Amino acid sequence: KAGVTQTPRYLIKTRGQQVTLSCSPISGHRSVSWYQQTPGQGLQFLFEYFSETQRNKGNFPGRFSGRQFSNSRSEMNVSTLELGDSALYLCASSLGRDRGSLGDTQYFGPGTRLTVL
Amino acid sequence: TQLLEQSPQFLSIQEGENLTVYCNSSSVFSSLQWYRQEPGEGPVLLVTVVTGGEVKKLKRLTFQFGDARKDSSLHITAAQPGDTGLYLCAGLMKTSYDKVIFGPGTSLSVIP
Repeated sequence: KAGVTQTPRYLIKTRGQQVTLSCSPISGHRSVSWYQQTPGQGLQFLFEYFSETQRNKGNFPGRFSGRQFSNSRSEMNVSTLELGDSALYLCASSLGRDRGSLGDTQYFGPGTRLTVL
Repeated sequence: TQLLEQSPQFLSIQEGENLTVYCNSSSVFSSLQWYRQEPGEGPVLLVTVVTGGEVKKLKRLTFQFGDARKDSSLHITAAQPGDTGLYLCAGLMKTSYDKVIFGPGTSLSVIP
């Protein structure tokens, strides 16, 4: 079974621009979560999509948005880029089922490395 | 303020040595997960511990969940260069939805 894929792997943008990142989940997975990873803040949860609806959201400004398509593929958009948006953006897919204390196992993609100049 | 603290932040050891990394919080978690992330890759789940006091072993890795389900440790015996990576702990909170909180990670380097 193919893993989670993310495109592009690397991206360089300048301040003020916008960017769209793409994530293809594992086949059969209906949940896609997005995370921002930086050396100072670690892994920070952005949002989760399930069946084309945003189910959960972290504490990020409205410049960060996302969507999910009927085939579960997801895109994340960042508008009006700032220098501080430079980070590794990870997406993780899961079945989207409640498994009690075990949690819903997430499978991470390799990430998109975004550099804002 | 980090909800989950990990120590040490960095660790560099010789091949064959033993090591322990720690994950601590003032919050109680339904379960706790450990991930390893290698450069250029996303985190990969190693284990999930659910019961307070639980100990799980995966070959040379031993994971323990604290009795109060607030802390965890990962012990590696006879470390190998292939163990090099960023070790992340993540706590699961059952709120209105499953909330997963990640620690900042311990960066381990095993020198041949």
